[in-house]
Amino acid sequence: SQQGEEDPQALSIQEGENATMNCSYKTSINNLQWYRQNSGRGLVHLILIRSNEREKHSGRLRVTLDTSKKSSSLLITASRAADTASYFCATDDNNAGNMLTFGGGTRLMVKP
Amino acid sequence: DAGVIQSPRHEVTEMGQEVTLRCKPISGHNSLFWYRQTMMRGLELLIYFNNNVPIDDSGMPEDRFSAKMPNASFSTLKIQPSEPRDSAVYFCASTGLNTEAFFGQGTRLTVV
Repeated sequence: SQQGEEDPQALSIQEGENATMNCSYKTSINNLQWYRQNSGRGLVHLILIRSNEREKHSGRLRVTLDTSKKSSSLLITASRAADTASYFCATDDNNAGNMLTFGGGTRLMVKP
Repeated sequence: DAGVIQSPRHEVTEMGQEVTLRCKPISGHNSLFWYRQTMMRGLELLIYFNNNVPIDDSGMPEDRFSAKMPNASFSTLKIQPSEPRDSAVYFCASTGLNTEAFFGQGTRLTVV
């Protein structure tokens, strides 16, 4: 079974709008990571947030982590058509020594 | 570093044939993962190595699948005999301790 579950499964917005994707997980973690995948390509790492961090920024990306609720969110501000991709969260399980488990992903479409 | 290198990029084979997928992780990384991605099942973790030792192979679908990591710079995933339901994109990824994973470009396998 998957550790992380993203919500929504699909999201369609207009260029310039913000996109928010959520991730829930089940076990205790060392860190949580977000990845992006363009169609037909490998996953590319976006941002890593450690279990003792609550918020992290990278350019137009903002990630929050709530370990009490076992959830995380990824916010992309001022979206662009080039942000169209699938976004995955992955958890580094505390009890599984570096094992990365991915959720089902959110397919984001940004319309120009 | 050229990143994680997978070969071949595409493989078309007939049902019943043996298929071998190859991966060269990033030098210095101590963990290697094999994932399978399909539309129906998303991104599934097949097996995970740490310091060349298989740690968790619970995601390997059945005995037809086997993976080896004879040294820190090379891993193989073998399917014997292959079946049409094995058709998918297979990704290899490597990571250091508590860092992000770097993915290869994947091998698109089609079994006819």
